[in-house]
Amino acid sequence: GESVGLHLPTLSVQEGDNSIINCAYSNSASDYFIWYKQESGKGPQFIIDIRSNMDKRQGQRVTVLLNKTVKHLSLQIAATQPGDSAVYFCAENRRDGNEKLTFGTGTRLTIIP
Amino acid sequence: ETGVTQTPRHLVMGMTNKKSLKCEQHLGHNAMYWYKQSAKKPLELMFVYSLEERVENNSVPSRFSPECPNSSHLFLHLHTLQPEDSALYLCASSLVKRDEKLFFGSGTQLSVL
Repeated sequence: GESVGLHLPTLSVQEGDNSIINCAYSNSASDYFIWYKQESGKGPQFIIDIRSNMDKRQGQRVTVLLNKTVKHLSLQIAATQPGDSAVYFCAENRRDGNEKLTFGTGTRLTIIP
Repeated sequence: ETGVTQTPRHLVMGMTNKKSLKCEQHLGHNAMYWYKQSAKKPLELMFVYSLEERVENNSVPSRFSPECPNSSHLFLHLHTLQPEDSALYLCASSLVKRDEKLFFGSGTQLSVL
């Protein structure tokens, strides 16, 4: 069935190291992908997005990679900081007349000082 | 601050109570949403309002009743809830309904006893 999932529920990274959070999707019609960050006690916050006509997009310290062949999405965070500790969600949308943003279950990233 | 404010932040209610959640956005957006966030589950879309008109209702039980008096305010009226309704209820807004860049409030943590 249709799903958006993350490979690991938790991830711990040493401060200053790079982190990679992965996400898999199953719907071939998905053409827009988003990463959200949710800190404790707050709602999800938009980080970065990518459309299916791109393989890579960079922001400030974050990079999203899209591999449509294997339906895989990843979020790379460079030089992690304590403020990066949060739950990260991927979400996908499709343009098939039934547009609905579908969220994954999230990966909890912990930055170790 | 995301520009989306939710009150109250925490709510404890009995199964026979009636309460309301409030959401206000100061972003000039035309679409507003209610999401339910339960532990270890993806965000569940409950209702979508576009230009004050309800455009989506994802099979939500009638004990949840939304109200959108204007494009800046959204309410969720709660009546005779069940313990399994305990969750974080998130309000979000976007410029237009088809805009996937959602701006979330911090949510109302609801506990039903």
